[in-house]
Amino acid sequence: QSVLTQPPSASGTPGQRVSISCSGSSSNIGSNYVYWYQQLPGTAPKLLIYINDQRPSGVPDRFSGSKSGTSASLAISGLRSEDEADYYCAAWDDSLTGRYVFGTGTKVTVL
Amino acid sequence: QVHLVQSGAEVKKPGASVKVSCKASGYTFTSYGISWVRQAPGQGLECMGWISGYNGNTNYAQRFQGRVTMTTDTSTNTAYMELRSLRSDDTAVYYCARFLSGTYLLDYYYYMDVWGKGTTVTVSS
Repeated sequence: QSVLTQPPSASGTPGQRVSISCSGSSSNIGSNYVYWYQQLPGTAPKLLIYINDQRPSGVPDRFSGSKSGTSASLAISGLRSEDEADYYCAAWDDSLTGRYVFGTGTKVTVL
Repeated sequence: QVHLVQSGAEVKKPGASVKVSCKASGYTFTSYGISWVRQAPGQGLECMGWISGYNGNTNYAQRFQGRVTMTTDTSTNTAYMELRSLRSDDTAVYYCARFLSGTYLLDYYYYMDVWGKGTTVTVSS
């Protein structure tokens, strides 16, 4: 149902770099900012990246966001066990009224 | 410190209504909006809409239009979300979140920076 597509899973060993893609279209990522949220197991989501590549205070610089055309990416460098969580991209979609859309979500596993 | 405290879990029968509250503290309530996001069991996030803390203007996602009402009480810094005609597929955790919107480099931004812990709503006969 979501218009933003993410891979269902990604994994890496501690210290590795993991990248998560978010694919959209011209009505959402192609013409609007992208945001990323982290949801640790059993907890509420947390803002990780805003306006494509900005980190809120307190978010480690191991997390970085980028956007190109109708796609965006979240990279986690120096992977740590506490990074094991679900990650969601999000963007405004111009095609429908009041539509703030989330991606399908990616489960990151630290091996 | 910014906090959003939500009301407790609810169990409702199909066709009933539910009203979830979200009490804000630690910031100027009227300077930000409140959004409502739900998450069905094992599923992803879905934005239901938001309400301005300044003037009460609302913006509902199309699929909830006519079934949801979001309100605020600025005297108690509390936001409310009422969902009517409940169905079994409305069973979900409902989150409120502080909502920021504006312009940056001539483009609009919209995001949620602080979230409540969530309210579980179960719809079952």
